[in-house]
Amino acid sequence: GAVVSQHPSWVICKSGTSVKIECRSLDFQATTMFWYRQFPKQSLMLMATSNEGSKATYEQGVEKDKFLINHASLTLSTLTVTSAHPEDSSFYICSARGQGRSFYTFGSGTRLTVV
Amino acid sequence: AQTVTQSQPEMSVQEAETVTLSCTYDTSESDYYLFWYKQPPSRQMILVIRQEAYKQQNATENRFSVNFQKAAKSFSLKISDSQLGDAAMYFCAYTTLQYTGTASKLTFGTGTRLQVTL
Repeated sequence: GAVVSQHPSWVICKSGTSVKIECRSLDFQATTMFWYRQFPKQSLMLMATSNEGSKATYEQGVEKDKFLINHASLTLSTLTVTSAHPEDSSFYICSARGQGRSFYTFGSGTRLTVV
Repeated sequence: AQTVTQSQPEMSVQEAETVTLSCTYDTSESDYYLFWYKQPPSRQMILVIRQEAYKQQNATENRFSVNFQKAAKSFSLKISDSQLGDAAMYFCAYTTLQYTGTASKLTFGTGTRLQVTL
């Protein structure tokens, strides 16, 4: 089956530093990648959608300069949280969909703690 | 805009019993997909079942089945013979069908936390 590998699974960083989260599709070409944020006991909130080779489309209220998304290849997308602050602490999940596919494959998530 | 509503924040079921989780949605589209995802404490999103709107037959996956009522825009999940491992957060989700270009995003409901008791 389709697999998306997300790393790291958890990360602790100091306030003001940047953190990069990677999502790789291992056995299919991820033409579209979705990045979500999830607060405890809440639903997934879509942050942005990226298509391979194109600029990401951000949801309203999401700072594109803080959350940099790169989708340079059909198997790799990255989310970089720049100048992280404690309020950026959250659970981040990626989801990939291949062209012509009707299902979405999720990464295992990254728990980010900014101290 | 499409919306997905899960009106049951929490549900509880005894082991081996049956439970039904509710989901309603709002859309003006005629072709779309509906999903139920399970999120256990590990927080990995696991696809439980999916339904194509153009199919009249309700989807079934082992102990999991749906009651898809297109006219009523209702998509409930029935879990039969509940097991302790079924305890999780369950999310209903919707997406439109696109055959070319950009994939449509998933719209999630707020989730239902299912407890399974002995």
